[in-house]
Amino acid sequence: AQKITQTQPGMFVQEKEAVTLDCTYDTSDPSYGLFWYKQPSSGEMIFLIYQGSYDQQNATEGRYSLNFQKARKSANLVISASQLGDSAMYFCAMREANTGNQFYFGTGTSLTVIP
Amino acid sequence: DTAVSQTPKYLVTQMGNDKSIKCEQNLGHDTMYWYKQDSKKFLKIMFSYNNKELIINETVPNRFSPKSPDKAHLNLHINSLELGDSAVYFCASSLTDRGNEKLFFGSGTQLSVL
Repeated sequence: AQKITQTQPGMFVQEKEAVTLDCTYDTSDPSYGLFWYKQPSSGEMIFLIYQGSYDQQNATEGRYSLNFQKARKSANLVISASQLGDSAMYFCAMREANTGNQFYFGTGTSLTVIP
Repeated sequence: DTAVSQTPKYLVTQMGNDKSIKCEQNLGHDTMYWYKQDSKKFLKIMFSYNNKELIINETVPNRFSPKSPDKAHLNLHINSLELGDSAVYFCASSLTDRGNEKLFFGSGTQLSVL
């Protein structure tokens, strides 16, 4: 079974609008971390936001927020007020405490921001 | 100061050759990784390594081998390169004892096998 599932291969959003990128995960470990990374066309992997499994509140970092629904095992990334520079691949990832060295990545979502 | 640096950034070579990609991190992390990103952008873990254990993804051909001279370095050696090895290879590092510690990536090496 896939540890991380991103069901949206590609997404489009109008500039200045908000967009949600979906991520679901599969784990039986009560302790885990969820991460989102951005990969622009230049290729580097940029860390965006982190959510811990025991965190009571949804994580926020500037225009990025993570909609964490633990019972549904989802960790969707919300980007508010989209900018042209947000066009990139976005990867969801998970790290489990019982396999602390391992990071599992989803297949990514390509986001295009339309002017 | 680059946290995770890998060289070269581009590597073009012929089939059958042997090549290495170097990786160094100055973050004091205890675990380093190699990931392969194919043309569809799928990120696949190849190896994770700390001073205690090497974990190898079983789908990685044994032509690929990690070499770690010390905690700060994890080089990737590839023997008998094949066309299908063409991809972007990312080195990364992290701390194992903190679940909230993110993965730090190098800038990637674009390998093209002709």
